[in-house]
Amino acid sequence: QSVLTQPASVSGSPGQSITISCTGTSSDIGGYNYVSWYQQHPGSAPKLVIFDVTSRPSGISDRFSGSKSDNTASLTISWLQADDEAEYFCYSYAGSHSISAFGTGTRVTVL
Amino acid sequence: QVQLQESGPGLVKPSQTLSLTCTVSGDSMSRGDYYWSWIRQSPGKGLEWIAYIYYSGATYYNPSLRSRSFISVDTAQNQFSLKVNSVTVADTAVYYCVRGAVPLVWFDPWGQGTLVTVSS
Repeated sequence: QSVLTQPASVSGSPGQSITISCTGTSSDIGGYNYVSWYQQHPGSAPKLVIFDVTSRPSGISDRFSGSKSDNTASLTISWLQADDEAEYFCYSYAGSHSISAFGTGTRVTVL
Repeated sequence: QVQLQESGPGLVKPSQTLSLTCTVSGDSMSRGDYYWSWIRQSPGKGLEWIAYIYYSGATYYNPSLRSRSFISVDTAQNQFSLKVNSVTVADTAVYYCVRGAVPLVWFDPWGQGTLVTVSS
């Protein structure tokens, strides 16, 4: 079972942009274009904000964008708002014969 | 708009069986467009995918829980269920039922989650 590593916390001021990294291996992030990101507010269930590395589900603000380079995926939140304060988890497909883990989670704080 | 709702006991004794049911509304599981999973979240282990099931009954389990878990589907009731036997305090977590378009690629939406505590 693979493990995806994220920074424990990231912070920014309203209006700024922040980027959260998610580091895996060539067996997961580096091997497939199937990275997804989830936003979780305290006491609530996770919510999908990015899928297939760069795609946004219907209803998700275009302030959220995703990218990938080699074995590292990134989530960028532009024009940071108070409601963006939450925990964010990454996830990557790891092939039909492997189970991928979720990322360790990043707490985003809006200063 | 599809919604998922978990139900089941919030307290289970060690060595007993945890049983949860997920009721799906706004979508028919029988259409066969999606895979239906259980995921749990605990402070110590983060988010952990447990198993998925297809409307046909095809299943796939996380190897770490395969020996103790059983997932099933009832398309007539538009529900799917999870059983985990021989539970320990390490199984204490919030359990979510979720939908995915392709197995293990992404998960959306999630149920609100139900806290299951293992304690005597």
